[in-house]
Amino acid sequence: DAMVIQNPRYQVTQFGKPVTLSCSQTLNHNVMYWYQQKSSQAPKLLFHYYDKDFNNEADTPDNFQSRRPNTSFCFLDIRSPGLGDAAMYLCATTHRRGDRARGDTQYFGPGTRLTVL
Amino acid sequence: AQSVTQLDSQVPVFEEAPVELRCNYSSSVSVYLFWYVQYPNQGLQLLLKYLSGSTLVKGINGFEAEFNKSQTSFHLRKPSVHISDTAEYFCAVRIVSSGSARQLTFGSGTQLTVLP
Repeated sequence: DAMVIQNPRYQVTQFGKPVTLSCSQTLNHNVMYWYQQKSSQAPKLLFHYYDKDFNNEADTPDNFQSRRPNTSFCFLDIRSPGLGDAAMYLCATTHRRGDRARGDTQYFGPGTRLTVL
Repeated sequence: AQSVTQLDSQVPVFEEAPVELRCNYSSSVSVYLFWYVQYPNQGLQLLLKYLSGSTLVKGINGFEAEFNKSQTSFHLRKPSVHISDTAEYFCAVRIVSSGSARQLTFGSGTQLTVLP
């Protein structure tokens, strides 16, 4: 089945130790999103890639970076995790067809739960 | 900017009873509307969406929602719930735009707990 895969499902890191979360998709979608979801809160968009174009949200901290080496993979790098970065990180994809406005459905992965010790 | 309000943070309901989860939105432009469900420690799954046309939208797992433009609402309903419907439900909007933004704006979520 075509799907969005996130690895690992659970990640534990130490305060200040860089960590990378991985997302891959078999949907061949051209847009990939990273969301941060803290406990009992709505997902908050960090950034997204439209093909190779990177789009950062204005309030995303510099501590968060992303890479998209090809269509299928996207990585979230947290350079120096703090205790406040403990959260569920969700990857989502959609396919955008040109400039025509569509109700693009976003398909979510299962998430990676990050714990910072 | 658009915003989404989910009026109830927690909704307990007995099994086989009907349920309505409320969602109101605010936007100066037209929007698309979505409901997602999130089971514990999992990602979000699309339940249904409204893009245009009939204001009554049917989704998976027996859920439906009605778009009411005058009241700027998109309430989610199910006539008879099961224990397995226990989950967090998120309402989301996206503006109808050809721009590059296109991101979803989520409500704060409603925890539906179905009691035996």
